[in-house]
Amino acid sequence: DIVMTQSPDSLAVSLGERATINCKSSQSVLYSSNNKNYLAWYQQKPGQPPKLLIYWASTRESGVPDRFSGSGSGTDFTLTISSLQAEDVAVYYCQQYYSTLGVTFGGGTKVEIK
Amino acid sequence: EVQLVESGGGLVQPGGSLRLSCAASGFTFSSYWMHWVRQAPGKGLVWVSRINSDGSSTSYADSVKGRFTISRDNAKNTLYLQMNSLRAEDTAVYYCAKDTTMIAGPSYFDYWGQGTLVTVSS
Repeated sequence: DIVMTQSPDSLAVSLGERATINCKSSQSVLYSSNNKNYLAWYQQKPGQPPKLLIYWASTRESGVPDRFSGSGSGTDFTLTISSLQAEDVAVYYCQQYYSTLGVTFGGGTKVEIK
Repeated sequence: EVQLVESGGGLVQPGGSLRLSCAASGFTFSSYWMHWVRQAPGKGLVWVSRINSDGSSTSYADSVKGRFTISRDNAKNTLYLQMNSLRAEDTAVYYCAKDTTMIAGPSYFDYWGQGTLVTVSS
């Protein structure tokens, strides 16, 4: 199984400041034949199901504000919120979909307002 | 509008069984892979199972293999999860999720249901 490790577990950021979340996979999720990273990011607010933010490591889902961006390749990935807003308080998860056996999620990172 | 509505959750004793359903609408259900993902209270997301578009291929997390069975009825636009030999550690909210892939997958999930709570306790 591909293990996804997120860091930090939680972080507190002031409104308008940058939030950075890291995700590391136990093996590369870069598929060489198409040069795509099989990595997605989700946002989950309390009492709600997860919401897709980013796929292919850096492609923003339609309707997602451009303050959210994804980067990285291979085994190391980052989700950045460039200017934190109050509505961004949530838990964020990375997910690999490289393995045909099944997907795996990171443990989650809780983002709060400082 | 895509909608996924789970049902069938509830309180069940250890060793018991439960069948979850996920009614899909707003998209061509028979074309897409589907998944079940669970979330124990206060914990993270854990993938449970997936099924391809015509139901001919399935896969399971090791923790549920041999106890859970995923299936689908494309005529009824419904996804199922039959859960047998339930354990306390199966207690969680169970979400169904739509994959974006139609042929070769899995891929990322673009829609999720609101979830149904399964509690395994005596």
